Amino acid sequence: GAGVSQSPRYKVAKRGQDVALRCDPISGHVSLFWYQQALGQGPEFLTYFQNEAQLDKSGLPSDRFFAERPEGSVSTLKIQRTQQEDSAVYLCASSLASEAFFGQGTRLTVV
Amino acid sequence: AQRVTQPEKLLSVFKGAPVELKCNYSYSGSPELFWYVQYSRQRLQLLLRHISRESIKGFTADLNKGETSFHLKKPFAQEEDSAMYYCALLTGGFKTIFGAGTRLFVKA
Repeated sequence: GAGVSQSPRYKVAKRGQDVALRCDPISGHVSLFWYQQALGQGPEFLTYFQNEAQLDKSGLPSDRFFAERPEGSVSTLKIQRTQQEDSAVYLCASSLASEAFFGQGTRLTVV
Repeated sequence: AQRVTQPEKLLSVFKGAPVELKCNYSYSGSPELFWYVQYSRQRLQLLLRHISRESIKGFTADLNKGETSFHLKKPFAQEEDSAMYYCALLTGGFKTIFGAGTRLFVKA
Protein backbone atom coordinates (compact mmCIF):
# COMPACT_ATOMS: atom_id res chain seq x y z
CA GLY A 1 0.00 0.00 0.00
CA ALA A 2 0.91 3.63 -0.28
CA GLY A 3 1.03 4.40 3.42
CA VAL A 4 1.49 2.89 6.85
CA SER A 5 -1.38 0.59 7.67
CA GLN A 6 -2.49 -0.38 11.17
CA SER A 7 -5.02 -2.94 12.28
CA PRO A 8 -7.39 -3.15 13.91
CA ARG A 9 -8.52 0.48 13.86
CA TYR A 10 -10.46 -0.03 17.07
CA LYS A 11 -10.10 -2.60 19.80
CA VAL A 12 -12.11 -3.05 22.95
CA ALA A 13 -10.51 -5.36 25.47
CA LYS A 14 -11.65 -6.55 28.84
CA ARG A 15 -9.23 -5.83 31.65
CA GLY A 16 -6.77 -8.68 31.87
CA GLN A 17 -7.10 -9.68 28.23
CA ASP A 18 -4.07 -9.84 25.91
CA VAL A 19 -4.11 -7.78 22.70
CA ALA A 20 -1.97 -7.64 19.57
CA LEU A 21 -1.75 -4.57 17.36
CA ARG A 22 -0.36 -4.82 13.86
CA CYS A 23 1.61 -2.34 11.77
CA ASP A 24 2.43 -2.62 8.07
CA PRO A 25 5.06 0.02 7.30
CA ILE A 26 5.78 1.61 3.96
CA SER A 27 7.69 -0.88 1.84
CA GLY A 28 11.44 -0.36 2.09
CA HIS A 29 11.33 1.78 5.20
CA VAL A 30 14.09 0.65 7.51
CA SER A 31 12.93 2.43 10.65
CA LEU A 32 9.71 1.66 12.50
CA PHE A 33 8.39 3.35 15.62
CA TRP A 34 5.54 2.75 18.04
CA TYR A 35 3.96 5.62 19.96
CA GLN A 36 1.23 5.76 22.59
CA GLN A 37 -1.10 8.75 22.53
CA ALA A 38 -3.32 9.29 25.52
CA LEU A 39 -6.34 11.56 25.24
CA GLY A 40 -5.31 15.20 25.02
CA GLN A 41 -1.61 14.41 24.84
CA GLY A 42 1.03 14.21 22.15
CA PRO A 43 2.43 10.88 20.99
CA GLU A 44 4.80 9.29 23.52
CA PHE A 45 7.66 7.18 22.20
CA LEU A 46 7.45 3.47 23.02
CA THR A 47 10.00 1.64 20.91
CA TYR A 48 12.11 1.76 17.75
CA PHE A 49 13.21 -0.86 15.21
CA GLN A 50 15.87 -0.66 12.57
CA ASN A 51 14.97 -3.51 10.27
CA GLU A 52 14.37 -6.47 12.62
CA ALA A 53 16.56 -5.12 15.42
CA GLN A 54 14.83 -3.42 18.33
CA LEU A 55 17.32 -0.66 19.10
CA ASP A 56 15.39 1.20 21.75
CA LYS A 57 12.55 0.01 23.95
CA SER A 58 13.03 2.56 26.68
CA GLY A 59 9.52 3.93 26.29
CA LEU A 60 7.65 0.70 26.94
CA PRO A 61 5.77 1.42 30.17
CA SER A 62 5.99 -2.06 31.68
CA ASP A 63 7.03 -5.61 30.96
CA ARG A 64 3.46 -6.27 29.86
CA PHE A 65 4.34 -4.48 26.63
CA PHE A 66 6.27 -6.34 23.97
CA ALA A 67 7.04 -5.45 20.36
CA GLU A 68 8.54 -7.44 17.55
CA ARG A 69 9.44 -7.10 13.88
CA PRO A 70 10.83 -10.52 13.03
CA GLU A 71 11.42 -10.06 9.31
CA GLY A 72 12.12 -6.37 9.29
CA SER A 73 8.77 -5.44 7.82
CA VAL A 74 5.47 -5.98 9.67
CA SER A 75 5.55 -5.22 13.37
CA THR A 76 3.31 -6.32 16.22
CA LEU A 77 2.84 -4.58 19.54
CA LYS A 78 1.52 -6.95 22.17
CA ILE A 79 0.05 -5.92 25.48
CA GLN A 80 -0.49 -8.62 28.06
CA ARG A 81 -3.03 -8.47 30.88
CA THR A 82 -4.39 -5.11 29.73
CA GLN A 83 -5.19 -2.46 32.32
CA GLN A 84 -7.46 0.55 32.07
CA GLU A 85 -4.46 2.87 31.92
CA ASP A 86 -3.44 1.17 28.67
CA SER A 87 -6.42 2.80 26.95
CA ALA A 88 -4.95 5.08 24.28
CA VAL A 89 -4.33 5.41 20.57
CA TYR A 90 -1.30 3.40 19.49
CA LEU A 91 0.49 4.94 16.53
CA CYS A 92 2.96 3.27 14.25
CA ALA A 93 5.32 5.25 12.04
CA SER A 94 7.99 4.29 9.54
CA SER A 95 10.77 6.29 7.94
CA LEU A 96 13.73 6.19 5.61
CA ALA A 97 15.32 9.40 6.82
CA SER A 98 14.16 11.97 9.36
CA GLU A 99 10.53 12.32 8.29
CA ALA A 100 8.20 9.86 9.97
CA PHE A 101 5.09 8.62 8.15
CA PHE A 102 2.28 7.70 10.49
CA GLY A 103 -0.50 5.17 10.34
CA GLN A 104 -4.07 5.96 11.32
CA GLY A 105 -3.53 4.38 14.70
CA THR A 106 -5.33 1.75 16.74
CA ARG A 107 -7.66 3.05 19.42
CA LEU A 108 -7.53 0.64 22.35
CA THR A 109 -10.19 0.85 25.00
CA VAL A 110 -9.84 -1.35 28.06
CA VAL A 111 -13.08 -1.89 29.96
CA ALA B 1 16.26 16.51 29.91
CA GLN B 2 14.79 16.27 26.44
CA ARG B 3 11.47 18.00 26.30
CA VAL B 4 9.12 19.84 23.95
CA THR B 5 6.68 22.33 25.42
CA GLN B 6 3.64 23.75 23.67
CA PRO B 7 2.10 26.13 26.20
CA GLU B 8 -1.25 26.60 24.47
CA LYS B 9 -3.72 23.73 24.27
CA LEU B 10 -6.14 25.79 22.19
CA LEU B 11 -5.65 28.79 19.97
CA SER B 12 -8.64 30.45 18.38
CA VAL B 13 -8.24 33.17 15.73
CA PHE B 14 -10.40 34.81 13.09
CA LYS B 15 -9.90 34.07 9.42
CA GLY B 16 -7.33 36.44 7.97
CA ALA B 17 -5.66 37.11 11.32
CA PRO B 18 -2.03 36.24 11.99
CA VAL B 19 -1.37 33.08 13.95
CA GLU B 20 1.59 31.96 16.02
CA LEU B 21 1.79 28.56 17.67
CA LYS B 22 4.48 28.49 20.32
CA CYS B 23 7.02 25.74 20.84
CA ASN B 24 9.99 25.59 23.19
CA TYR B 25 12.42 22.73 23.49
CA SER B 26 15.06 21.43 25.85
CA TYR B 27 17.92 19.44 24.33
CA SER B 28 21.65 19.43 24.97
CA GLY B 29 22.62 18.40 21.45
CA SER B 30 22.11 20.03 18.08
CA PRO B 31 18.33 20.09 17.62
CA GLU B 32 16.40 19.00 14.57
CA LEU B 33 12.85 20.29 14.86
CA PHE B 34 9.61 19.63 13.04
CA TRP B 35 5.99 20.65 12.99
CA TYR B 36 3.44 17.90 12.41
CA VAL B 37 -0.23 18.51 11.72
CA GLN B 38 -3.32 16.37 12.13
CA TYR B 39 -6.46 17.46 10.30
CA SER B 40 -9.82 16.11 11.38
CA ARG B 41 -10.12 12.36 10.71
CA GLN B 42 -6.70 12.25 9.06
CA ARG B 43 -3.39 10.82 10.13
CA LEU B 44 -0.53 12.79 11.62
CA GLN B 45 1.66 14.21 8.87
CA LEU B 46 4.75 16.34 8.55
CA LEU B 47 4.12 20.03 7.93
CA LEU B 48 7.64 21.39 7.89
CA ARG B 49 11.14 20.91 9.28
CA HIS B 50 13.59 23.59 10.32
CA ILE B 51 16.50 22.39 8.20
CA SER B 52 14.50 22.90 5.02
CA ARG B 53 13.72 26.53 5.83
CA GLU B 54 10.63 26.14 3.69
CA SER B 55 7.17 27.63 3.73
CA ILE B 56 4.36 25.09 3.55
CA LYS B 57 0.73 26.22 3.14
CA GLY B 58 1.91 29.69 4.13
CA PHE B 59 3.40 28.49 7.41
CA THR B 60 6.99 29.19 8.44
CA ALA B 61 9.00 28.36 11.54
CA ASP B 62 12.38 29.70 12.57
CA LEU B 63 14.68 27.95 14.98
CA ASN B 64 15.91 30.33 17.67
CA LYS B 65 18.66 28.52 19.57
CA GLY B 66 19.11 31.38 22.02
CA GLU B 67 15.50 31.19 23.13
CA THR B 68 15.26 27.44 22.41
CA SER B 69 12.11 28.09 20.43
CA PHE B 70 10.60 26.97 17.15
CA HIS B 71 7.36 28.90 16.84
CA LEU B 72 5.05 28.25 13.88
CA LYS B 73 3.68 31.33 12.14
CA LYS B 74 1.28 32.24 9.38
CA PRO B 75 0.41 35.84 8.48
CA PHE B 76 -3.19 35.19 7.39
CA ALA B 77 -5.01 32.20 8.85
CA GLN B 78 -7.50 30.24 6.73
CA GLU B 79 -10.41 28.09 7.91
CA GLU B 80 -8.74 25.02 6.43
CA ASP B 81 -5.81 25.57 8.80
CA SER B 82 -7.98 24.38 11.68
CA ALA B 83 -6.22 21.28 13.00
CA MET B 84 -4.06 19.87 15.76
CA TYR B 85 -0.43 20.96 15.53
CA TYR B 86 2.47 19.15 17.20
CA CYS B 87 5.99 20.43 17.59
CA ALA B 88 8.56 17.62 17.56
CA LEU B 89 12.24 17.21 18.35
CA LEU B 90 14.41 14.53 16.76
CA THR B 91 16.97 13.20 19.23
CA GLY B 92 19.76 10.70 18.93
CA GLY B 93 19.18 10.33 15.22
CA PHE B 94 15.88 8.50 15.46
CA LYS B 95 13.75 9.14 18.54
CA THR B 96 11.20 11.91 17.99
CA ILE B 97 9.76 13.62 21.05
CA PHE B 98 6.43 15.38 20.60
CA GLY B 99 4.85 18.24 22.44
CA ALA B 100 1.32 17.92 23.82
CA GLY B 101 -0.11 19.72 20.82
CA THR B 102 -2.06 22.92 20.14
CA ARG B 103 -5.50 22.86 18.62
CA LEU B 104 -5.89 25.74 16.17
CA PHE B 105 -9.42 26.87 15.47
CA VAL B 106 -9.88 29.43 12.72
CA LYS B 107 -13.23 31.17 12.90
CA ALA B 108 -15.04 32.51 9.84
